[in-house]
Amino acid sequence: NAGVMQNPRHLVRRRGQEARLRCSPMKGHSHVYWYRQLPEEGLKFMVYLQKENIIDESGMPKERFSAEFPKEGPSILRIQQVVRGDSAAYFCASSILPGLRTYEQYFGPGTRLTVT
Amino acid sequence: QQQVKQSPQSLIVQKGGISIINCAYENTAFDYFPWYQQFPGKGPALLIAIRPDVSEKKEGRFTISFNKSAKQFSLHIMDSQPGDSATYFCAATTVRGGSRLTFGEGTQLTVNP
Repeated sequence: NAGVMQNPRHLVRRRGQEARLRCSPMKGHSHVYWYRQLPEEGLKFMVYLQKENIIDESGMPKERFSAEFPKEGPSILRIQQVVRGDSAAYFCASSILPGLRTYEQYFGPGTRLTVT
Repeated sequence: QQQVKQSPQSLIVQKGGISIINCAYENTAFDYFPWYQQFPGKGPALLIAIRPDVSEKKEGRFTISFNKSAKQFSLHIMDSQPGDSATYFCAATTVRGGSRLTFGEGTQLTVNP
């Protein structure tokens, strides 16, 4: 049973470019969460999605950041016009179907974004 | 009100000793408290978790103690081993509130051989 998969594991972008981070949840999981970990800091919630729906995006910066979780395929976190302050590790977590211990979240290995 | 405060920031323990990490929260709506272990370059791994209807939960060498009235909870690692050296994060969430996790700042644990 594969865990949460994220790719790429490392991503280097120049200032002004776009970054696309992908997350495939664990099999049977339909909830996806994105968190950001800045260097030497804890994890901060960004967005919570279910298939085709954004449930909570209160942690997302208002500009340049967007997320989706289509009916088919992985969840995507998109950062437009990246700046150096976007350099961080981005983690995706998934949890199981509604009503079945949805509070247990399992994390992927993360994507480490470096903006040069 | 959404914060979770974690201490200490770093901890050094001798092999075989007890590691204790503490967390405090403010939001009384939190009703699920997990601990995560993170090794360098890896994602956080769910270690152990507790609901507020119990005061203690033990899994192997790991124990969570929970004090609802004080709004505090702690992780105890018994017989600490060098392989336990990692960063530990406490977290909290409301199960019915969408389950977004609010994390503490993390504790870097070093267990010396």
